[in-house]
Amino acid sequence: AQSVTQPDIHITVSEGASLELRCNYSYGATPYLFWYVQSPGQGLQLLLKYFSGDTLVQGIKGFEAEFKRSQSSFNLRKPSVHWSDAAEYFCAVGALGQGAQKLVFGQGTRLTINP
Amino acid sequence: DARVTQTPRDKVTEMGQEVTMRCQPILGHNTVFWYRQTMMQGLELLAYFRNRAPLDDSGMPKDRFSAEMPDATLATLKIQPSEPRDSAVYFCASGLFGYNEQFFGPGTRLTVL
Repeated sequence: AQSVTQPDIHITVSEGASLELRCNYSYGATPYLFWYVQSPGQGLQLLLKYFSGDTLVQGIKGFEAEFKRSQSSFNLRKPSVHWSDAAEYFCAVGALGQGAQKLVFGQGTRLTINP
Repeated sequence: DARVTQTPRDKVTEMGQEVTMRCQPILGHNTVFWYRQTMMQGLELLAYFRNRAPLDDSGMPKDRFSAEMPDATLATLKIQPSEPRDSAVYFCASGLFGYNEQFFGPGTRLTVL
């Protein structure tokens, strides 16, 4: 069965510092991988996705993620965080379900930004 | 700007009452998903549809939850009777089959007293 692990429940970084959020997945085939962001009281917004090709993918808001098959990882990075990046971040793997393609989500990482 | 809409945004009800949550998927999308989010369990997939047909509702408590798509522009999630443990944020998402990506609505925050 597919699964996603986000080892860090909560991360705090200073504004302007670099960020890396970890994500490990388990999936038998080539995965479709996603990062979503959820601001307080809001729904989930797609940051970026990996389907195939270049293993370094660029997303919105200055985020990028790198797919490493050998490590079953898809870590999210940003070179310099802004206070507005404070939110919950979810990694997900796309799994072929019963006739549709469902997402399996990790437990999320809550990001706090220190001024 | 195409978006998934959900109503109501907030719902407070008493135990035993029926609750109906509605979702309007993005026009043209043919897959719809219902999720429940709680602090303890995170995001749980409750049910999903393709071309309005229910494909899997194994994530739902069958005795009290039901999900339907009366037409391509409306998906509903009903709880009858509601219980305090149903308190959560319920999200609807839609997408195009074959693309994997899902677009989420703003959610319905349900509180059952």
